[in-house]
Formats: sequence, C-alpha cells, structure tokens
Amino acid sequence: KQEVTQIPAALSVPEGENLVLNCSFTDSAIYNLQWFRQDPGKGLTSLLFIQSSQREQTSGRLNASLDKSSGRSTLYIAASQPGDSATYLCAVRPLEGAGGTSYGKLTFGQGTILTVHP
Amino acid sequence: SAVISQKPSRDICQRGTSLTIQCQVDSQVTMMFWYRQQPGQSLTLIATANQGSEATYESGFVIDKFPISRPNLTFSTLTVSNMSPEDSSIYLCSVEYFKVRHREAFFGQGTRLTVV
Repeated sequence: KQEVTQIPAALSVPEGENLVLNCSFTDSAIYNLQWFRQDPGKGLTSLLFIQSSQREQTSGRLNASLDKSSGRSTLYIAASQPGDSATYLCAVRPLEGAGGTSYGKLTFGQGTILTVHP
Repeated sequence: SAVISQKPSRDICQRGTSLTIQCQVDSQVTMMFWYRQQPGQSLTLIATANQGSEATYESGFVIDKFPISRPNLTFSTLTVSNMSPEDSSIYLCSVEYFKVRHREAFFGQGTRLTVV
C-alpha cells in the first residue's frame, strides 16, 4: 500500500526566503505526482503536476522535482510572500495492472502548513 | 482546467439530520470523486461516482451513510446521513481529466460541515 509522507509538518519563514517542502512515497511505481495548495477551510488548487517520466516542472516561483527511484519529490518556492501561506499537499497516483499499464487512485500526504510572515 | 462548484460552502447541522452536498462541473466528465478531510487530516476518498451506475465506495464507507447520485455527466450529490459530530469534516468533490498522456485531478472549493 502506498504511503505518502510530507516533511516538515509545519514551517514558518520570513518573507523573501526560499524554501523547500518535501514529499516521500514508499512505492516508486507511480504514474504521476501532483502538488496542491489548500487555504484554510477551502478546497484544493492544483499547483504542479509531474508525470513519472519527468524530472521537474516549473510554474512561476514554484519548482517541483521528482526522483522516482528514491521515492521523493520536492516543492521549491522562491522569494516567499505572505500570500503563499497555506497548506501544501502532495498526492501520488500509482501504476497498477499487469506491467503497470493502468493507474490507480490518488494517495495524499498529510500536508505542510506554511506560514510566511511579513 | 475545470471549474467545479460545490454547494453549500459550509453548514452547521444538528446530529441525526442529513445534508446533501451538490457538485457541478463546467464540462462533461466520466467519473466524479468525493473525498473527506477530517480536522487536521489529509484527504480520504469516499467513493467514485459514474454516470448511470452505482457509486463505488472505498473501504470504511457505505452507501447507507453516504448515498451518492450522479444523474448526468456534469453533476453529482453526496448526502451525509444521520450525522454525528464525527462527521464534521470538509467534503470535497473532484474530477480528473486525461490530456496529453497524463491524468490530472481538480477539486471544488469544499463544503465545511460542522455537526453539533
């Protein structure tokens, strides 16, 4: 069974810092990995999406990397801003079926609560 | 990306009552997913709803407690029945799109339910 762990559970940084959020997963047979942002009491916003054959994806100040063999992904946020304060969730979709020909349902990590203070 | 609208955005309900949550998507999708997020926890899949067939429930979730309707390709409802304080959670609707050889998930804004 796939397990997804996110470290740290919470992070507080001053504005302007570059920071890294970590996501690890136990089964490297994944189809893709997705990073989400969740504001308090709200739904999820998709940030970045990495297919298993890719190493990284970038969107603005965000960069996500994937090392499938070691079961790790990182989300790098450059020049953090107070508006970046939210919970960041990592979700992994496994490969399934004979020869990994299909994919399963998303498994989510517990999230990292990020606070960026002015 | 998808535009997913959920109603209500939040509600406070008495124990023993039921609440129906609506999810509307701006384009047709085969499968819609319902998740629960208990306080301080991550997301847990409740069930997958296909149009024209009964929903498929995950382990630990049953139809009597969480009946789901899927009348067409853009709409679904989740009912939380006979509520207890343990049902206080955020409930999220999700769809997935397959494009350019990958499958990406999108979520609604969630329904924050408090049972008193």
